[in-house]
Amino acid sequence: DTAVSQTPKYLVTQMGNDKSIKCEQNLGHDTMYWYKQDSKKFLKIMFSYNNKELIINETVPNRFSPKSPDKAHLNLHINSLELGDSAVYFCASSQDLVEGTQYFGPGTRLLVL
Amino acid sequence: KQEVTQIPAALSVPEGENLVLNCSFTDSAIYNLQWFRQDPGKGLTSLLLIQSSQREQTSGRLNASLDKSSGRSTLYIAASQPGDSATYLCAVFTGANSKLTFGKGITLSVRP
Repeated sequence: DTAVSQTPKYLVTQMGNDKSIKCEQNLGHDTMYWYKQDSKKFLKIMFSYNNKELIINETVPNRFSPKSPDKAHLNLHINSLELGDSAVYFCASSQDLVEGTQYFGPGTRLLVL
Repeated sequence: KQEVTQIPAALSVPEGENLVLNCSFTDSAIYNLQWFRQDPGKGLTSLLLIQSSQREQTSGRLNASLDKSSGRSTLYIAASQPGDSATYLCAVFTGANSKLTFGKGITLSVRP
């Protein structure tokens, strides 16, 4: 069974559209994250949620809105997509906020045309 | 602000060689340090996690060390194999703001 899963795996869309990426973890973890990996492969945290509460919001444009319906899910909605949003988006989870290994999903490759 | 540096950005070695990948970080107030592996077009796989109170961790042919006071970690790979070719990322977890800060990674190529 996949520990952290993301859908879709690939997303190609036009500028100005709104899209969502879904993430689910079956590890029973309390904390989930969204990361962005840019074209230079640099990985940077965007958001973290602990028990459905927002903990970190790293100066991400408010066009990006995470939503956590329950502890096992953290979805990312993006409004008015821009060319610069093209990247790979990774979801991850960890047992809690303080310590512990982070487990990553396979990534969603977003291309904005 | 925590910064993580991995130098060099790329490394090519012949098969069988023992090698060391370096990682440095600017703020020694970390909770733990993780080494990840990323294959092209894939997600990240956690290799080793070292808690701030530990000096090293071992898994198979991999050994990671941590010198928190000097802000350094190394990942030692013994008897490298072509299947070890990947990008290796170092990341430090800073409990104060509960986030993982990544280096830019070292892309390793092991030649048969």
